[in-house]
Amino acid sequence: AQSVTQPDIHITVSEGASLELRCNYSYGATPYLFWYVQSPGQGLQLLLKYFSGDTLVQGIKGFEAEFKRSQSSFNLRKPSVHWSDAAEYYCAVVGNDYKLSFGAGTTVTVRA
Amino acid sequence: DGGITQSPKYLFRKEGQNVTLSCEQNLNHDAMYWYRQDPGQGLRLIYYSQIVNDFQKGDIAEGYSVSREKKESFPLTVTSAQKNPTAFYLCASSLPDRTHEQFFGPGTRLTVL
Repeated sequence: AQSVTQPDIHITVSEGASLELRCNYSYGATPYLFWYVQSPGQGLQLLLKYFSGDTLVQGIKGFEAEFKRSQSSFNLRKPSVHWSDAAEYYCAVVGNDYKLSFGAGTTVTVRA
Repeated sequence: DGGITQSPKYLFRKEGQNVTLSCEQNLNHDAMYWYRQDPGQGLRLIYYSQIVNDFQKGDIAEGYSVSREKKESFPLTVTSAQKNPTAFYLCASSLPDRTHEQFFGPGTRLTVL
Protein backbone atom coordinates (compact mmCIF):
# COMPACT_ATOMS: atom_id res chain seq x y z
CA ALA A 1 0.00 0.00 0.00
CA GLN A 2 1.09 3.55 -0.64
CA SER A 3 2.19 5.91 2.14
CA VAL A 4 3.49 9.42 2.64
CA THR A 5 5.95 10.78 5.20
CA GLN A 6 6.34 14.43 6.04
CA PRO A 7 9.40 14.52 8.30
CA ASP A 8 8.88 18.05 9.60
CA ILE A 9 5.99 18.52 12.01
CA HIS A 10 6.52 22.27 12.42
CA ILE A 11 8.59 24.82 10.53
CA THR A 12 9.07 28.46 11.45
CA VAL A 13 10.27 30.85 8.77
CA SER A 14 10.74 34.60 8.58
CA GLU A 15 8.64 36.61 6.19
CA GLY A 16 10.51 37.00 2.92
CA ALA A 17 12.68 33.94 3.50
CA SER A 18 12.52 30.80 1.41
CA LEU A 19 10.53 27.75 2.44
CA GLU A 20 10.98 24.06 1.69
CA LEU A 21 8.66 21.34 2.94
CA ARG A 22 9.73 17.73 2.59
CA CYS A 23 7.60 14.85 1.40
CA ASN A 24 8.65 11.24 0.86
CA TYR A 25 6.31 8.67 -0.62
CA SER A 26 6.21 4.94 -0.89
CA TYR A 27 4.56 3.52 -3.98
CA GLY A 28 5.66 0.97 -6.54
CA ALA A 29 4.37 2.47 -9.74
CA THR A 30 4.34 6.02 -11.12
CA PRO A 31 2.65 8.04 -8.40
CA TYR A 32 0.08 10.78 -8.65
CA LEU A 33 1.22 13.34 -6.07
CA PHE A 34 -0.47 16.36 -4.55
CA TRP A 35 0.24 19.19 -2.15
CA TYR A 36 -2.70 20.73 -0.29
CA VAL A 37 -2.84 23.70 2.07
CA GLN A 38 -5.28 24.19 4.94
CA SER A 39 -5.91 27.37 6.89
CA PRO A 40 -7.28 26.95 10.43
CA GLY A 41 -10.89 25.74 10.46
CA GLN A 42 -11.03 25.51 6.67
CA GLY A 43 -11.07 22.81 4.03
CA LEU A 44 -8.08 21.77 1.94
CA GLN A 45 -7.04 23.72 -1.14
CA LEU A 46 -4.95 22.15 -3.88
CA LEU A 47 -1.59 23.89 -4.37
CA LEU A 48 -0.20 21.71 -7.13
CA LYS A 49 -0.11 18.19 -8.50
CA TYR A 50 2.19 15.85 -10.39
CA PHE A 51 0.96 13.18 -12.76
CA SER A 52 3.72 12.81 -15.35
CA GLY A 53 6.06 14.81 -17.57
CA ASP A 54 8.11 17.73 -16.32
CA THR A 55 9.35 16.95 -12.81
CA LEU A 56 9.23 20.59 -11.71
CA VAL A 57 5.63 21.55 -11.15
CA GLN A 58 4.32 25.07 -10.69
CA GLY A 59 1.32 25.73 -8.51
CA ILE A 60 -0.76 28.54 -7.11
CA LYS A 61 0.42 31.24 -4.69
CA GLY A 62 3.99 31.06 -6.00
CA PHE A 63 4.63 27.47 -4.88
CA GLU A 64 6.52 24.84 -6.84
CA ALA A 65 7.45 21.22 -6.21
CA GLU A 66 10.00 18.87 -7.67
CA PHE A 67 9.40 15.18 -8.21
CA LYS A 68 12.51 13.05 -7.74
CA ARG A 69 11.87 9.41 -8.46
CA SER A 70 15.34 8.31 -7.31
CA GLN A 71 14.70 9.80 -3.87
CA SER A 72 10.95 9.06 -3.73
CA SER A 73 10.45 12.70 -2.87
CA PHE A 74 8.10 15.51 -3.83
CA ASN A 75 9.32 18.56 -1.91
CA LEU A 76 7.41 21.83 -1.92
CA ARG A 77 9.21 25.18 -2.20
CA LYS A 78 8.48 28.87 -2.19
CA PRO A 79 11.23 31.46 -2.78
CA SER A 80 9.78 34.21 -0.57
CA VAL A 81 7.20 33.52 2.12
CA HIS A 82 4.34 35.89 2.95
CA TRP A 83 2.59 36.05 6.31
CA SER A 84 -0.53 34.62 4.63
CA ASP A 85 1.39 31.38 3.93
CA ALA A 86 1.07 30.40 7.59
CA ALA A 87 -1.02 27.22 7.43
CA GLU A 88 -0.97 23.43 7.52
CA TYR A 89 0.48 21.71 4.46
CA TYR A 90 -0.31 18.17 3.39
CA CYS A 91 1.39 15.95 0.85
CA ALA A 92 -0.69 13.12 -0.61
CA VAL A 93 -0.35 10.24 -3.04
CA VAL A 94 -2.96 8.25 -4.96
CA GLY A 95 -2.40 4.52 -4.99
CA ASN A 96 -3.77 1.79 -7.20
CA ASP A 97 -6.84 1.58 -4.97
CA TYR A 98 -7.65 5.14 -6.14
CA LYS A 99 -7.60 6.46 -2.57
CA LEU A 100 -5.56 9.39 -1.35
CA SER A 101 -3.03 8.71 1.38
CA PHE A 102 -2.03 11.82 3.31
CA GLY A 103 1.04 12.64 5.30
CA ALA A 104 0.59 13.86 8.86
CA GLY A 105 1.06 17.45 7.74
CA THR A 106 3.56 20.24 8.37
CA THR A 107 2.57 23.38 10.26
CA VAL A 108 4.20 26.52 8.90
CA THR A 109 4.54 29.55 11.13
CA VAL A 110 5.67 32.85 9.60
CA ARG A 111 7.34 35.38 11.83
CA ALA A 112 7.53 39.07 10.99
CA ASP B 1 -20.32 28.29 -9.10
CA GLY B 2 -19.33 24.63 -8.71
CA GLY B 3 -18.16 23.26 -5.44
CA ILE B 4 -18.75 21.22 -2.33
CA THR B 5 -20.88 22.44 0.55
CA GLN B 6 -20.93 21.02 4.05
CA SER B 7 -23.42 21.92 6.70
CA PRO B 8 -23.51 22.91 9.41
CA LYS B 9 -20.10 24.51 10.00
CA TYR B 10 -20.31 23.80 13.74
CA LEU B 11 -22.33 21.04 15.34
CA PHE B 12 -22.86 20.16 18.96
CA ARG B 13 -24.39 16.98 20.22
CA LYS B 14 -24.97 15.30 23.51
CA GLU B 15 -23.26 12.05 24.25
CA GLY B 16 -25.36 9.09 23.11
CA GLN B 17 -27.09 10.91 20.26
CA ASN B 18 -26.72 10.22 16.57
CA VAL B 19 -25.97 13.18 14.30
CA THR B 20 -25.89 13.55 10.51
CA LEU B 21 -23.43 15.73 8.63
CA SER B 22 -24.42 16.98 5.21
CA CYS B 23 -22.24 17.00 2.09
CA GLU B 24 -23.45 18.19 -1.31
CA GLN B 25 -21.51 18.69 -4.55
CA ASN B 26 -22.48 20.14 -7.92
CA LEU B 27 -19.26 19.18 -9.69
CA ASN B 28 -20.83 16.11 -11.31
CA HIS B 29 -18.20 13.92 -9.63
CA ASP B 30 -18.90 10.23 -9.28
CA ALA B 31 -16.73 9.59 -6.24
CA MET B 32 -17.18 11.12 -2.81
CA TYR B 33 -15.27 10.72 0.46
CA TRP B 34 -15.49 11.44 4.16
CA TYR B 35 -12.39 12.15 6.26
CA ARG B 36 -11.85 12.76 9.91
CA GLN B 37 -9.15 15.16 11.06
CA ASP B 38 -7.64 15.26 14.54
CA PRO B 39 -4.74 17.44 15.66
CA GLY B 40 -1.40 15.95 14.68
CA GLN B 41 -2.94 13.00 12.81
CA GLY B 42 -3.61 14.34 9.35
CA LEU B 43 -6.67 13.05 7.51
CA ARG B 44 -8.10 9.58 7.96
CA LEU B 45 -10.60 8.07 5.57
CA ILE B 46 -13.95 7.07 7.07
CA TYR B 47 -16.05 6.01 4.06
CA TYR B 48 -16.00 6.50 0.32
CA SER B 49 -18.39 5.99 -2.54
CA GLN B 50 -17.41 5.59 -6.16
CA ILE B 51 -20.94 5.43 -7.53
CA VAL B 52 -24.53 5.97 -6.46
CA ASN B 53 -25.97 3.27 -4.18
CA ASP B 54 -22.53 1.88 -3.43
CA PHE B 55 -19.97 2.73 -0.74
CA GLN B 56 -16.99 1.17 1.03
CA LYS B 57 -15.46 1.41 4.46
CA GLY B 58 -12.28 3.37 4.87
CA ASP B 59 -9.68 3.03 7.58
CA ILE B 60 -11.82 4.16 10.54
CA ALA B 61 -15.45 3.30 9.66
CA GLU B 62 -16.50 1.97 13.08
CA GLY B 63 -19.22 4.10 14.64
CA TYR B 64 -20.10 5.81 11.36
CA SER B 65 -22.63 5.17 8.59
CA VAL B 66 -23.28 6.69 5.17
CA SER B 67 -25.74 6.59 2.31
CA ARG B 68 -25.42 7.51 -1.37
CA GLU B 69 -28.90 7.76 -2.83
CA LYS B 70 -28.05 10.66 -5.14
CA LYS B 71 -24.90 11.53 -7.04
CA GLU B 72 -24.81 14.99 -5.47
CA SER B 73 -25.18 13.95 -1.84
CA PHE B 74 -23.17 11.82 0.59
CA PRO B 75 -24.37 12.33 4.19
CA LEU B 76 -22.39 10.94 7.11
CA THR B 77 -24.06 9.80 10.34
CA VAL B 78 -21.98 9.74 13.49
CA THR B 79 -23.61 7.18 15.72
CA SER B 80 -23.55 6.80 19.47
CA ALA B 81 -21.21 3.85 18.93
CA GLN B 82 -18.39 6.19 17.92
CA LYS B 83 -16.23 6.47 21.04
CA ASN B 84 -14.51 9.79 20.34
CA PRO B 85 -16.62 11.71 17.83
CA THR B 86 -15.31 15.20 18.57
CA ALA B 87 -13.29 16.11 15.46
CA PHE B 88 -13.21 18.10 12.25
CA TYR B 89 -14.94 16.28 9.37
CA LEU B 90 -14.11 16.89 5.74
CA CYS B 91 -16.02 15.79 2.68
CA ALA B 92 -14.40 15.52 -0.75
CA SER B 93 -15.24 14.47 -4.28
CA SER B 94 -13.00 13.43 -7.12
CA LEU B 95 -12.70 13.71 -10.84
CA PRO B 96 -13.92 10.77 -12.89
CA ASP B 97 -10.47 10.11 -14.32
CA ARG B 98 -7.42 8.05 -13.45
CA THR B 99 -5.78 10.78 -11.37
CA HIS B 100 -8.58 10.92 -8.78
CA GLU B 101 -7.70 14.48 -7.81
CA GLN B 102 -9.91 15.36 -4.84
CA PHE B 103 -11.77 18.59 -4.11
CA PHE B 104 -12.65 19.39 -0.53
CA GLY B 105 -15.54 21.06 1.25
CA PRO B 106 -15.07 23.61 4.06
CA GLY B 107 -15.57 21.06 6.84
CA THR B 108 -17.84 20.56 9.85
CA ARG B 109 -16.53 20.74 13.38
CA LEU B 110 -18.42 18.33 15.62
CA THR B 111 -18.24 18.70 19.37
CA VAL B 112 -19.75 16.19 21.75
CA LEU B 113 -20.82 17.72 25.04
